[in-house]
Amino acid sequence: QVQLQESGPGLVKPSETLSLTCTVSGGSVSGNYWNWIRQPPGKGLEWIGYIYDSGSTKYNPSLKSRVTISVDTSKNHFSLILSSVTTADTAVYSCVRGYSYGFGQDYFDYWGQGTLVTVSS
Amino acid sequence: SYELTQPPSVSVSPGQTARITCSGDALPKQYTYWYQQKPGQVPVLVIYRDSERPSGIPERFSGSSSGTTVTLTISGVQAEDEADYYCQSTDTSGTSVVFGGGTKLTVL
Repeated sequence: QVQLQESGPGLVKPSETLSLTCTVSGGSVSGNYWNWIRQPPGKGLEWIGYIYDSGSTKYNPSLKSRVTISVDTSKNHFSLILSSVTTADTAVYSCVRGYSYGFGQDYFDYWGQGTLVTVSS
Repeated sequence: SYELTQPPSVSVSPGQTARITCSGDALPKQYTYWYQQKPGQVPVLVIYRDSERPSGIPERFSGSSSGTTVTLTISGVQAEDEADYYCQSTDTSGTSVVFGGGTKLTVL
């Protein structure tokens, strides 16, 4: 059973950089797609981006200029960096595995529990 | 940017049929997925590739598509089905993931 666990600061100041890590257990980060998805309090889901094949990335166009997703196969984890944050970036951030079915990313099958990141001074 | 449109809310009585729609220009060419999210919980996949049902999901959940609109149908709605439902697909390039705004299903 694959398990994902997010870690990182729960409070970030405006204009600073948000940094989160997702540790994967029960499976390898090599293969499949590894996503970050966020959900502002009381609002809907927003896809941030993914990394796959240990290096290729795709980002939400609305966040692309501020987002970097990377992977460390030796530690079996992947990370999110979101720069120049504002209060609009306050959300629960979840790491999620996207099942790879040969034609690209299929469904999201394993989710971390999510971590609330608040942007506030 | 590409968007998927869902109704904000749908209400049905127990035992009735709930239909939740999701509209988007690329839907005829890209698969749609449906997720159920209950308060305080992570989303759960209920339909994948437009109409496939994962193991463990009750048969009352089904998906269909027609042109630029896909529909999640819950037949014989039960109180436990009350939740937020999100459709998810990709843009015309097939790589950028998009979620609908979500539909709150209320079981009266």
